[in-house]
Amino acid sequence: EVQLLQSGGGLVQPGGSLRLSCVASGFTLRTYAMYWVRQIPGKGLQYVSGMSISGNSYYADAVKGRFTISRDNLMNTLYLHMNNLRAEDTALYYCAKRRDASSNLWGHFDYWGQGILVTVSS
Amino acid sequence: EIVLTQSPATLSLSPGERATLSCWASQSVSSYLAWYQQKTGQPPRLLIYDASNRATGIPDRFSGSGSGTDFTLTISSLEPEDFAVYYCQQRIDSPTFGQGTKLEI
Repeated sequence: EVQLLQSGGGLVQPGGSLRLSCVASGFTLRTYAMYWVRQIPGKGLQYVSGMSISGNSYYADAVKGRFTISRDNLMNTLYLHMNNLRAEDTALYYCAKRRDASSNLWGHFDYWGQGILVTVSS
Repeated sequence: EIVLTQSPATLSLSPGERATLSCWASQSVSSYLAWYQQKTGQPPRLLIYDASNRATGIPDRFSGSGSGTDFTLTISSLEPEDFAVYYCQQRIDSPTFGQGTKLEI
């Protein structure tokens, strides 16, 4: 059974840093593109970052230069390193798996983590 | 950035009725459009991918259609558990989501 278990959220001051983790089980992480998507509570969904099978990464303009996506193939874990956090980064962050094992980065998302709340406030 | 616009923002129906939700893209996304269902406190659930393909385990009362810029999600006969928020998402370019349609009783 495919599962994505997230951890690492919390309260951080503006300008601070945080690392989110997403442990995958039931499949091999490196054989699928993986993503981070965020949602301001009560609002819509926003794509944040993605990593292809080959390791290429992509970032939304709003986080480019501040966030870094990475993965640990041995630990079957996806990460999102967030630096220089701003109040507007406050959201529920989801990791998500691409539906099919394509080399293309852009996909639809068939499994999602439970979501982890990041709050940026002084 | 490709903008997806969903209509209506809120749809009020009763169990047993037919629901029709729309999603328009600011430029062609071919058939690379998905629909998700999200209930309060839960992550989104993939319903339809590539415009018309039901995801694993999705009941056949859910169907998707369209291509290019105009897409439709149809729920043929609403069940009580179908009342939720629905989002469309494109994957022809950097993924974007619509703003959502709330389906309420």
